[in-house]
Amino acid sequence: EVQLVESGGGLVKPGGSLRLSCAASGFTFSSYSMNWVRQALGKGLEWVSSISGNGNYIYYADSVKGRFTISRDNAKNSLYLQMNSLRAEDTAVYFCARARIERLSWYFDLWGRGTLVTVSS
Amino acid sequence: EIVLTQSPATLSLSPGERATLSCRASQSVSSYLAWYQQKPGQAPRLLIYDASNRATGIPARFSGSGSGTDFTLTVSSLESEDFAVYYCQQRFNWPLTFGGGTKVEIK
Repeated sequence: EVQLVESGGGLVKPGGSLRLSCAASGFTFSSYSMNWVRQALGKGLEWVSSISGNGNYIYYADSVKGRFTISRDNAKNSLYLQMNSLRAEDTAVYFCARARIERLSWYFDLWGRGTLVTVSS
Repeated sequence: EIVLTQSPATLSLSPGERATLSCRASQSVSSYLAWYQQKPGQAPRLLIYDASNRATGIPARFSGSGSGTDFTLTVSSLESEDFAVYYCQQRFNWPLTFGGGTKVEIK
């Protein structure tokens, strides 16, 4: 089955760290660019970060630049998001999303169910 | 950063009616715009990409149009499963951005 499954969310104090993981299955993971998109409860979607299939190209939203690090392990079919210096405004459901396979087609055609990150003291 | 403004915020319609949703960009995004549908408690689903191309498995009642700064998503005849929130997203440049969403609710 083609799917993405996120894990690693939870409750963390401001200033703390968390590492999210996304396990991919059912497709050739290394052929696809991957992304993290977040959604605060009751709010809209916010793009967080993207990484190309070979990991050579990485992009971040200004709101997380310098604090979050996206990475991938194609041998393990896994995507990661290391989140440091967390703030209350980072509280959201974090979705792992696959970009369409066509080059530069940064639209998200496969999504996980999301993992909730709560930053609170 | 390209700002996408969606209107209206809420659209109240009955099943069988036509829905017309708007997305306006703060600068030209050419045709590099997508539409997503999101239901409560679910992940978004890609409906339309590059302004007018339906994604795999999307019914023909969904159509997209527009270029430059003004885009439209049309649902020709609403079915019960179409009541949801719809988002537009541009890939013209970084950062990728989403609109604030339009909720299509049952009248």
